[in-house]
Amino acid sequence: TQLLEQSPQFLSIQEGENLTVYCNSSSVFSSLQWYRQEPGEGPVLLVTVVTGGEVKKLKRLTFQFGDARKDSSLHITAAQPGDTGLYLCAGVFFLRQFYFGTGTSLTVIP
Amino acid sequence: DTGVSQDPRHKITKRGQNVTFRCDPISEHNRLYWYRQTLGQGPEFLTYFQNEAQLEKSRLLSDRFSAERPKGSFSTLEIQRTEQGDSAMYLCASSLRPGTGAGANVLTFGAGSRLTVL
Repeated sequence: TQLLEQSPQFLSIQEGENLTVYCNSSSVFSSLQWYRQEPGEGPVLLVTVVTGGEVKKLKRLTFQFGDARKDSSLHITAAQPGDTGLYLCAGVFFLRQFYFGTGTSLTVIP
Repeated sequence: DTGVSQDPRHKITKRGQNVTFRCDPISEHNRLYWYRQTLGQGPEFLTYFQNEAQLEKSRLLSDRFSAERPKGSFSTLEIQRTEQGDSAMYLCASSLRPGTGAGANVLTFGAGSRLTVL
């Protein structure tokens, strides 16, 4: 069992649609990160959120850290085929441990 | 620096054989992590090093798995008496120790070593 549960596990949408991915845990983290992974490659960091309630925007991606620092969401506006990939949240414990979520596989259809 | 390198990229072996994977981290990174990932799932933590010291090892890691980082640079992950359930992607990542720069607390991953046990 993994410490962080992501939902949905799979998502297939049309280009231009909006979507939200959720990352939930019963544990409190010192910070939370989101990564994206493409087939045959390792995950690549998208963002780190540190403060409860924090919202960060990266172009069409909006990341939010829950007030209690136990959960997070990723919202993509007007999805594009280039957004296709496996999205992973990772909870950081005390600046030493990175525990990854179960993953959300996103496919954006042109 | 060319990033994190892993070798081999693919390994096919028969059940019961031993396999070893190598990871070369970014040279100035003093932390090194090993993860295991199955298709479509998130990486599962195995172990991590700070310099040559192995600081934490997952309780899920059986005695058949061993990792070393003898000089605080490259690391090896050995799996003895492989089983079909060991088939997975083995990912290595490195980072700076917290407080040592802007790259601290950011994992840089290699492309992984895919193991298939027949």
